[in-house]
Amino acid sequence: GAVVSQHPSRVICKSGTSVKIECRSLDFQATTMFWYRQFPKQSLMLMATSNEGSKATYEQGVEKDKFLINHASLTLSTLTVTSAHPEDSSFYICSARAGVGTDTQYFGPGTRLTVL
Amino acid sequence: GENVEQHPSTLSVQEGDSAVIKCTYSDSASNYFPWYKQELGKGPQLIIDIRSNVGEKKDQRIAVTLNKTAKHFSLHITETQPEDSAVYFCAATPPGYGKLTFGQGTILTVHP
Repeated sequence: GAVVSQHPSRVICKSGTSVKIECRSLDFQATTMFWYRQFPKQSLMLMATSNEGSKATYEQGVEKDKFLINHASLTLSTLTVTSAHPEDSSFYICSARAGVGTDTQYFGPGTRLTVL
Repeated sequence: GENVEQHPSTLSVQEGDSAVIKCTYSDSASNYFPWYKQELGKGPQLIIDIRSNVGEKKDQRIAVTLNKTAKHFSLHITETQPEDSAVYFCAATPPGYGKLTFGQGTILTVHP
């Protein structure tokens, strides 16, 4: 149990275009999902916390107009990188809390974004 | 906010040896401490976790110990195998199901 999927696993796009990444909890309902960014050989950096049915909470320094997050259902959250630039190239990973009242976060397999 | 320090940054052991990774945290209110294993190009995988009301937890070859007074916790892997080679991250979170704060990661290499 507690499986989280992401789609796509990797994407290459041109500078200036937008890219949408989906995060799904497959066998549980996730009221809260998290989006992280990870640069090579570095730790995970939290970008935002996504709560179902409400606006996401962004970490300091993360542009909410550039990284649009939607959590429309208990099993799906999306991250849209708008007007992507080469510096947005990174490994984006989502996680989901296993259920209401728990601390445990399960992570997706990640999405490798390359902006040319 | 919470700050988590993780050591060592790299660890190399021979197959069959034990490996120990240590983390310290700053927020004494933190009460949940998971450990994740991340293989190259993949997302982190939860391998074990511990809560502040427990001092030690074991799952087969993996164990975690917590010292609340000193604010540090450790991951112990016994009888290491080459497939244990990966990056390991510790994390801490305060009460209220808040966000995880990660350590910097440890690259573990197990030599056959």
